[in-house]
Amino acid sequence: EVRLVESGGDLVQPGGSLRLSCAASGFTFSSYEMNWVRQAPGKGLEWIAYISSIGTTIYYADSVRGRFTISRDDAKNSLSLQMNSLRAEDTAIYYCARGPFNLGDWGQGTLVTVSS
Amino acid sequence: DIQMTQSPSSLSASVGDRVTITCQASQDISNDLNWYQQKFGKAPRLLISDASNLATGVPSRFSGSGSGTHFTFTISSLQSEDIATYYCQQYDSVPYTFGPGTKLEIK
Repeated sequence: EVRLVESGGDLVQPGGSLRLSCAASGFTFSSYEMNWVRQAPGKGLEWIAYISSIGTTIYYADSVRGRFTISRDDAKNSLSLQMNSLRAEDTAIYYCARGPFNLGDWGQGTLVTVSS
Repeated sequence: DIQMTQSPSSLSASVGDRVTITCQASQDISNDLNWYQQKFGKAPRLLISDASNLATGVPSRFSGSGSGTHFTFTISSLQSEDIATYYCQQYDSVPYTFGPGTKLEIK
């Protein structure tokens, strides 16, 4: 069974940093492209980042480019999202999702709240 | 960026009804379109990929069609467990944009 478990969400002040993790199991993690998608409270879904199966290709949404960094550790079956210079509008549930384009498996999400 | 629009934004229907949601892309995306279902408090679930391919384990009452810029998602006979918000998503080009969602309620 495919399992994705996000962690690291927290309350952080504007301008602060946070690192999210996604632990993967039940499949050969290194063979799959991965994504981060977020959802602000009461709002729709926003795709924010993609990483290829060997980590050589990375894409970001304009809203996070230059502030967020997606990475993967295939030895640990783990996906990460380093978030810097956080803003109030980054408040959301963050989901990791197995790609590449057809996001067929999702984690339960982790809540990031940016507030003073 | 490719903009995705959906209509209606909300919909109320009775059990057994046929329900249709439309999704329009701001430019030709061929059939590079997915449909997701999101129930309250849960992660999204992929229902339809490549505009018309039913994902594994998804009931056959769900279907999708279309190509280019105009797409349709249909529930042939609405069930009470279909209460959710439905999103289309294009993956023709980065950023992989979602539509704003259609909230489906039971009448």
